[in-house]
Amino acid sequence: GENVEQHPSTLSVQEGDSAVIKCTYSDSASNYFPWYKQELGKGPQLIIDIRSNVGEKKDQRIAVTLNKTAKHFSLHITETQPEDSAVYFCAAWGGGFKTIFGAGTRLFVKA
Amino acid sequence: KAGVTQTPRYLIKTRGQQVTLSCSPISGHRSVSWYQQTPGQGLQFLFEYFSETQRNKGNFPGRFSGRQFSNSRSEMNVSTLELGDSALYLCASGLGDTDTQYFGPGTRLTVL
Repeated sequence: GENVEQHPSTLSVQEGDSAVIKCTYSDSASNYFPWYKQELGKGPQLIIDIRSNVGEKKDQRIAVTLNKTAKHFSLHITETQPEDSAVYFCAAWGGGFKTIFGAGTRLFVKA
Repeated sequence: KAGVTQTPRYLIKTRGQQVTLSCSPISGHRSVSWYQQTPGQGLQFLFEYFSETQRNKGNFPGRFSGRQFSNSRSEMNVSTLELGDSALYLCASGLGDTDTQYFGPGTRLTVL
């Protein structure tokens, strides 16, 4: 069935360093890949997304890359700040009006 | 524009009871999806509605049901509550003709 694997489950970086989270999807029909950030006590917030006809997208300190052949996509956060600490979810949407989420990565940014 | 709102924010019920959760989407959004979030299972898709029609359903028992009204507001109902139903229930809204979804703050359900 449809599945999205996300690694690592926990990531700890020093303030100012970069953080990378990787995901792999199984459904070849997936064509939309959003990333969400969830802070304690809040719902997930969309931070960036990418479609299958694009290989890379950047928004300030955040970038996402997609390798359709390998079914991999990654989130890159540069110059991390303490306020980046949260749980990050990758997801894949392949039609069927249903989004499949990865298990989440808890990011700690140490000041 | 106001975001997705969910009511109530917190709910405590006992086993065997039933519960109804409400979701008001962003103005102009016609699609509403519901998810269950638990520490062990992550975010699990429950169902999606568009223009009062359920377009997809996840792998949950029939005790979980939902509906959408003509103003796009949606409700989900869980009957005969079990301890394992304790979770954060999230709804997300979208235009429906695209895949981008925006989440509400969730309803925290505790079943005792």
